[in-house]
Amino acid sequence: QLQLIQSGPEVKKTGSSVKVSCKASGGIFSRFGINWVRQAPGQGLEWMGGTIPVFGSTYYAEKFQDRVTITADKSTNTSFLEMNSLTSEDTATYFCARDGSGWTGWFDSWGQGTLVTVSS
Amino acid sequence: EIVLTQSPDTLSLSPGQRATLSCRASQSVRNNDLAWYAQIPGRAPRLLIYGASRRAAGIPDRFSGSGSGTAFSLTISTLEPEDFAVYYCQQYGSSPWTFGQGTKVEIK
Repeated sequence: QLQLIQSGPEVKKTGSSVKVSCKASGGIFSRFGINWVRQAPGQGLEWMGGTIPVFGSTYYAEKFQDRVTITADKSTNTSFLEMNSLTSEDTATYFCARDGSGWTGWFDSWGQGTLVTVSS
Repeated sequence: EIVLTQSPDTLSLSPGQRATLSCRASQSVRNNDLAWYAQIPGRAPRLLIYGASRRAAGIPDRFSGSGSGTAFSLTISTLEPEDFAVYYCQQYGSSPWTFGQGTKVEIK
């Protein structure tokens, strides 16, 4: 049974950067896409992008293309989300989620979420 | 991008009742690539349905999905106490993959 374990909460200043990790255990990692989805407080879900570790390919929603970098380390079964130029609007819980079948777009396993708080 | 609009925003029902949730897309969802998730506040979403009507592993058969093109629905035949949550539809037929705003199913 795959488990995705994310790094702990972060508090950041406006204009700074944050890097969140997502470590997979107990299941297949590299052949399935790992995606990142965020949720602002009290709001809905927003897909940011993802990567397929075995191919090293990465895909982003256009909104995040200039500020976000998603990577994966196959040796440690870990994916990373890095976001720069943070503003208060980036305050959200960030989830990693594994694609259900390679790279199809539906997500069958989720991390517990990482709260990122951005303030001045 | 495809905009998904869910209705109603809130559904107030009692355990044992039937729930029907709607998800409408601003344009046709390619291959009916639509999924449904349930989220309890403070927890991660859980996949219920993919491909518009395929139940995910371990999901009880009281959950069913239907629809095609721009109109989709999720039905919970008999609400159990653990089903009171927020439900999201998601399309993955066109990038960027997008979610609806959610329907809250609350205890009446």
